[in-house]
Amino acid sequence: EADIYQTPRYLVIGTGKKITLECSQTMGHDKMYWYQQDPGMELHLIHYSYGVNSTEKGDLSSESTVSRIRTEHFPLTLESARPSHTSQYLCASSEWTFETQYFGPGTRLLVL
Amino acid sequence: GESVGLHLPTLSVQEGDNSIINCAYSNSASDYFIWYKQESGKGPQFIIDIRSNMDKRQGQRVTVLLNKTVKHLSLQIAATQPGDSAVYFCAENSRSGGGADGLTFGKGTHLIIQP
Repeated sequence: EADIYQTPRYLVIGTGKKITLECSQTMGHDKMYWYQQDPGMELHLIHYSYGVNSTEKGDLSSESTVSRIRTEHFPLTLESARPSHTSQYLCASSEWTFETQYFGPGTRLLVL
Repeated sequence: GESVGLHLPTLSVQEGDNSIINCAYSNSASDYFIWYKQESGKGPQFIIDIRSNMDKRQGQRVTVLLNKTVKHLSLQIAATQPGDSAVYFCAENSRSGGGADGLTFGKGTHLIIQP
């Protein structure tokens, strides 16, 4: 089991609210990632980071933002949630020299 | 952009039989491939990976085969058990295709185990 954690696991929120999804890993990994996954579908990369103070956009355009102030922490923020943001959000991390990514359990977000 | 894909969205097998899950990729420059297993309500779990300089790699009850000529990847699971029931994704490193430094995932195959 990988030591990567996500909170909350489930979130139901109203339109227009600001939300932050938390992701932490205790493996000392430099690289961290956020993926978006609709039910039964493939994962799409929305953000990634090479290390502290590094944030990059992924292949899928997203209205969310991320920050990386500490190595172990990579939160994702939605300033104003909309129903179109309803999805599952998965956080992952990997060592600098290895491409294998380890995933957290995910956050299921429902925006009403 | 280029992506990996799977041939079948659902595969049903008898318990104890061998399972073969297939994946076709389109980026001939891809140099790293990985299989993940995702159980309901959980994040993807690493199963096995392979680099493009290899044709075959074996793990515990699993084997990954890579055919670069036809750009085909397969996952073989020996003696399938009820706990193998999940959605299986293949993925490739996006960077080799000029994409972001992450993984590009296929659409997934749901493996169903019949008792």
